[in-house]
Amino acid sequence: DTEVTQTPKHLVMGMTNKKSLKCEQHMGHRAMYWYKQKAKKPPELMFVYSYEKLSINESVPSRFSPECPNSSLLNLHLHALQPEDSALYLCASSQGGQGAANEKLFFGSGTQLSVL
Amino acid sequence: AQSVTQLGSHVSVSEGALVLLRCNYSSSVPPYLFWYVQYPNQGLQLLLKYTSAATLVKGINGFEAEFKKSETSFHLTKPSAHMSDAAEYFCAVSEGNTPLVFGKGTRLSVIA
Repeated sequence: DTEVTQTPKHLVMGMTNKKSLKCEQHMGHRAMYWYKQKAKKPPELMFVYSYEKLSINESVPSRFSPECPNSSLLNLHLHALQPEDSALYLCASSQGGQGAANEKLFFGSGTQLSVL
Repeated sequence: AQSVTQLGSHVSVSEGALVLLRCNYSSSVPPYLFWYVQYPNQGLQLLLKYTSAATLVKGINGFEAEFKKSETSFHLTKPSAHMSDAAEYFCAVSEGNTPLVFGKGTRLSVIA
């Protein structure tokens, strides 16, 4: 299994809602990532988990809350989002920990989020 | 801090023509360089990566890239474009143990 699976594929939420994005990989990878990608822009790193511990937080607002329950799962909890948070949210994983620089990232297909 | 610059936000080629997507990097140490491709409504997929083993790197789908230190470049090429190559292409750089930094992307269109 060489896939990163993200659910849901699409999500529409109001500004007062609470929702969660889920990501799963069964490749034994030890680093997992959340990226945010606006239309026609490159992915922007949000969080990195290495060996299930948060190792990088790129100054992301607290309305985004990541969670890594185990080595295969990564969640992104969303609360009180703003319309400008509408974007494609991508999960990725890599074999080594601490986002090792020379390693390949495996990306999921993303969750397209719309905040109304 | 490392960075990459992709020249041309949009490149259009005819089917069967040479594909050339340009990427220049800035890094204070020998970098790791990558090309990723993103098809519509998909995540990113690694095409190839340079990690100092060889300056000419061959990737998937017939793509290759050459690392030129003197020009700080890592341009992506493919001898003959296919319709299925139409996608967004991102050059990315990493150094040390830092996360990837992506370029702004180049959209490749292939005309029949």
